[in-house]
This record gives sequence, structure tokens and C-alpha cells, in this order.
Amino acid sequence: AIQMTQSPSSLSASVGDRVTITCRASQDIRNDLDWFQQKPGKAPKLLIYAASGVHSGVPSRFSASGSGTEFTLTISSLQPEDIATYYCLQDYNYPHTFGQGTKLEIK
Amino acid sequence: QVQLVQSGAEVKKPGASVKVSCKASGYTFTGYYMHWVRQAPGQGLEWMGWINPNSGDNYYAQKFQGRVTMTIDTYINVAYMELSGLRYDDTAVYYCASDIEAAGFDYWGQGTLVTVSS
Repeated sequence: AIQMTQSPSSLSASVGDRVTITCRASQDIRNDLDWFQQKPGKAPKLLIYAASGVHSGVPSRFSASGSGTEFTLTISSLQPEDIATYYCLQDYNYPHTFGQGTKLEIK
Repeated sequence: QVQLVQSGAEVKKPGASVKVSCKASGYTFTGYYMHWVRQAPGQGLEWMGWINPNSGDNYYAQKFQGRVTMTIDTYINVAYMELSGLRYDDTAVYYCASDIEAAGFDYWGQGTLVTVSS
């Protein structure tokens, strides 16, 4: 199975900061990478599909890039409502695999 | 509007089985694979497998093969995930999810907490 490694595992930042989360795949997954946001007690929400496609309704401060084995999710100006855990998911092959998550907190 | 509504929380003893349902509405149920994902308390997300509601074909992650069965009822637009031989570490929230309007899991059920306890 493809291993997905996210970094950092936790991150503390201030409102207005630019935040970047990285996800690395153990092999080439082309652009078959999605990003999710999960708040406590809630189901995950799709933010990004196919590495850089912004899902409908997602604020424009969220962007993503990458291909192959290295991917990034960027929040251009952190807002209080962005506090959550973020996960990447490779859907290049089966079994699909998630990164271990990045917990984002406000400093 | 698209909705995935799951059955309620379950408490099961070790060795028992649990069957979680996911009722779909607002879209063509047979047109999209249904995936299942679980999340142990305080842990990350774990993909379990999928079922094709059109054909009944399925794919299970190796970790769950032999213990998981995913089925569908196209008459009532419900997907089921049954996990047998429950162990304490199967305690988790189980989600159904599908990629209906986007190339990613854009719709999720609300989750079903399964607690394995003696």
C-alpha cells in the first residue's frame, strides 16, 4: 500500500498567517491526491481534489499544488474557522490511504 | 439535495458483528461507488473499501478482508457495511462517503459510532 506522510503533525499559527501543510507519497501518484478538513465531531469535508482543484464553496484562501510524490496545501491567511485537522488522501490506487493528519491550532 | 444518512450508534461485545447502514437520497444511487472510512477515537482516517451499487462489485482493504461485507439494496437506496469478529480496536466512527459531484469524496454520512465493549 502507498504510504502517505504528512508534515507537520501539528501546527500553531496566528490569525492572518500563511500556513502550509505537506503530504508526501511513498511512490508516484500523479495528481491523484485530495485534501480534507475535519472539525471535532464532524465528518471530513472535501477541500481539494486532483491535487489542485478547489472544491465548490471552499474559500479562496485555500489552495494546493503538487504532483508525483510531493503535495502542499496552503491557507493564505489563516482564519479562526480554519482550526481543524487536515488530511490528505491518495486515490491513485487501492487501497486508498490517508495521511496521518495535521492538527492546526491558533497561536 | 444529496444526503447520506447513517444508522445510529451501536454497542457490541467482542466477537459479535455490526451492520451499519447508509441511506442515500438526492442523486442516482446506482451511479456512484459507496466507500466506507473509519476513525478510531482520537486517531486518523482509515479507508476500508467500496461497493459499486450498480453491479454489487466490491473491493476491501486487505486489513478487513474476511471480516467486512459491503452490500446494497437498490430498492431503498441503502448501502450496508457489516463487520464481524469485532475486537476492541474496532471501536470507531464509521462513515460512508461518495464522490458524487466532484472527483473526491464530496458527500459523507454523519458517522456511526461503534463501540466494542464487554
